[in-house]
Parts: sequence; C-alpha cells; structure tokens
Amino acid sequence: GQSLEQPSEVTAVEGAIVQINCTYQTSGFYGLSWYQQHDGGAPTFLSYNGLDGLEETGRFSSFLSRSDSYGYLLLQELQMKDSASYFCAVGRNYGQNFVFGPGTRLSVLP
Amino acid sequence: EAGVAQSPRYKIIEKRQSVAFWCNPISGHATLYWYQQILGQGPKLLIQFQNNGVVDDSQLPKDRFSAERLKGVDSTLKIQPAKLEDSAVYLCASSTHRDPNYGYTFGSGTRLTVV
Repeated sequence: GQSLEQPSEVTAVEGAIVQINCTYQTSGFYGLSWYQQHDGGAPTFLSYNGLDGLEETGRFSSFLSRSDSYGYLLLQELQMKDSASYFCAVGRNYGQNFVFGPGTRLSVLP
Repeated sequence: EAGVAQSPRYKIIEKRQSVAFWCNPISGHATLYWYQQILGQGPKLLIQFQNNGVVDDSQLPKDRFSAERLKGVDSTLKIQPAKLEDSAVYLCASSTHRDPNYGYTFGSGTRLTVV
C-alpha cells in the first residue's frame, strides 16, 4: 500500500517563504507531484519531480530525495492568494496514476 | 482549450437512493480518472480509464459504485444505493500525456450530500 504524511496546517505572513514537507512510503514509486486547491475549487497541478533534486517554477520550487522518501514544496514571496490546501501525490504504475496525501492547509496572513 | 466539464455541481439525496455523475474530459485526453474527496482529506482514486478500457479500479467499491466510458470520451459514475459515508466531492480528471510532467486537469467536481 501507500502512505503519505504532510503537516496538516502551516501559517505564514505575506512576503515570507514557507516549506511544506511530504514523506511517503510506497511500492513502485515513480515520482512526486504537487497540487494546489482553493476552498471549493478543483486541484490544480503545480509541479512534478521524477528525479532527485530541485525543480523551480516561478515562485514555487519542489524538491525530491528518493533515498529519503521525502519531498517538499517551497513557496517564496508569499501572497494572500497562496492561501489554499497543498497536496503531494506519489506516482505509481509508471506515473499513470497518483495517490494523494492528506493535504496541508496554508494560511497567509497580512 | 475547454476544461473538464462535470455535472451536476451539487446533489442531495437520501440514503439508499441512486445517483449518477457525468464527466466530459478535455478533447483528446485519452486518460480519465474519478476521484472521491471527503472533506478535509486528499482525493482518493476510484477508477482510471485509458480510452474506454479500465486501467485501475482496485479502490472502487464495486458492490455499490460503477463507472463507464463507453465511447472513450465522456464518462458516468454511479452510486447505487448511496450510504451516508458517500458524502464527498467527486472529481473527474483527465490527462493526455503518459509523461506525468504534464499533470492532471481536474473538473470542478460534484458535491454529493447523502442524508
């Protein structure tokens, strides 16, 4: 089976940097994705790490360490609109489907 | 391009009743997924289609849930009979590439309340 762990809540102020961690246990690990979901909205794809290391996309970066079964999402220059839930998801079946973590609710304060 | 369309947006039914949800993926997307998201939790995969074939339905409660994608385009998910614990948002997602770098595109979901 698969299990993923994320902090349930994180709070930060505008302009700050925040890191959301994800640890996982799974067989047949293929890669790690991150999704953002605003209240009442659909999850939207942020990033994917298939290899160890850091991937950067604008203000967001994502990191993966396969040997540690660990990844994180780094959000820089936080804005109020970043307040949302963030889910890590492990890819299996050669990345054909993903198992989602429980999610981290990020609150950005003025 | 148009997004993933789902209907209805909301549904309230009594337990033991039946309900059906519809999804129309992005044009050309061969892979379609149904996820169940209970409030405060991450989405849970119910079933994955590749064109009109089922790839993974290992977590679909087959005694009450069924899904089809007859022509490899739109899809229907049915619950019969519904239980209180089926109250959740049912999300449909689609993808076109086998490369997971492209991620999924999710629809807005159907919020089901079973009373």
